Parts: sequence; C-alpha cells; structure tokens
Amino acid sequence: QKEVEQDPGPLSVPEGAIVSLNCTYSNSAFQYFMWYRQYSRKGPELLMYTYSSGNKEDGRFTAQVDKSSKYISLFIRDSQPSDSATYLCAMKGGGGTSYGKLTFGQGTILTVHP
Amino acid sequence: ETGVTQTPRHLVMGMTNKKSLKCEQHLGHNAMYWYKQSAKKPLELMFVYNFKEQTENNSVPSRFSPECPNSSHLFLHLHTLQPEDSALYLCASSQELNYEKLFFGSGTQLSVL
Repeated sequence: QKEVEQDPGPLSVPEGAIVSLNCTYSNSAFQYFMWYRQYSRKGPELLMYTYSSGNKEDGRFTAQVDKSSKYISLFIRDSQPSDSATYLCAMKGGGGTSYGKLTFGQGTILTVHP
Repeated sequence: ETGVTQTPRHLVMGMTNKKSLKCEQHLGHNAMYWYKQSAKKPLELMFVYNFKEQTENNSVPSRFSPECPNSSHLFLHLHTLQPEDSALYLCASSQELNYEKLFFGSGTQLSVL
C-alpha cells in the first residue's frame, strides 16, 4: 500500500464548477499537509499549507484535513481555465520528525474548460 | 533573476555521455534539494543539502553525483545513465531544512537514448 494515494485523473470540469481534489494516507505521524500546483513545463508551486486537522481558506481555495479519516481535500470554487494544472498533495511528520521528508501523492491532472 | 533557476531546460544524452544540471536560487535560502519526477509516479527525493553540506542521499545510484559549492548553487553531474533515468529533474530550495515550503525551479527534462 502506498503511503499517499491520489487519483491521477484526469479530471475535466466546466468553468465555474466546484472542484474537489483528494488524498488519503496511511501514516498517522503526518501532521503537516500541503497542496502544490504544477503547470505544464513548470515546477510545482506551494498553494496551501496546513498543520494538523481543520480547514484553511485562501480566496477560491479551501484545504481540509481530517486526521481521523486520514483524508485531505482541496476545494476550488468558481474554477477558471487558469486553474488547469496538476495538483500534488504532500505531507510530512511533526514533533521529533520535524525534519522528516515530504511524501508526495502522484498528482491529479485537472482541466477546466471554458 | 528571481526564484529558482535551472539550466538547461531540456537535455538529450547518450548512455556514455557526461553532462551536468545546474540550479541557482536567488531567495537566500539555506537548504537545497534535487527531486526526480517520472510520469505517473510521485516526486522522488534524491539529495538534500543544508548550508552546502549534504544531509540526505536517498539511495541514489552513483551515476548521479551532486555538488553544492555554496548555499545558492547546486549541480547534478550525470554519467553513464540508463534510459530509465529519463525524467524531469527538479531543484528546490527552502529557508530552513524542514521540507515544508519548497520553492521549485522549472526543471530539466532529461532524455537518455
């Protein structure tokens, strides 16, 4: 079983739709959760960063972490064609393992069509 | 130049060639990383440097040889590669060695013939 599972898609939605991207994980030591966005022919860029459980909102983006279910989500409201990219979830341990390595998901390819 | 810059953007090499990838960060960060991104696979950590000292070698074959002359520059020297080494090689940096808020370059797309 992979430590982090992420559906690679591809996911295609119409402009204006609400997009839900998800990852599940198996390591209960993970405490820091991130979403990276990667445009074609570019490196990933950090989109959202959360610690432990709960929600975090930034404009049209909301990140949710449910540690009891080992499940994280990224919601995109009013999706735009410019949101078309690959979205990577990433996570790492905390506490004594604060220098622990990031574990990435495979990435979900999202296309928002006009 | 701002952010993290990688050169070349594309590289085609034969299995007997020797080439080098270059990374430069203009962010004043102390930690630098090499990652490998293959199709349909998660990002794989290769090497980590903190204040130009190597802190991580993630069981990478010796045909990949990193070099970090200072906190702003990172190289990946390549020799006698295999076709399965074809991938996107990404350099990243972070303020501290915590792997959290990584800033990535655009990568070098490597093809080994």
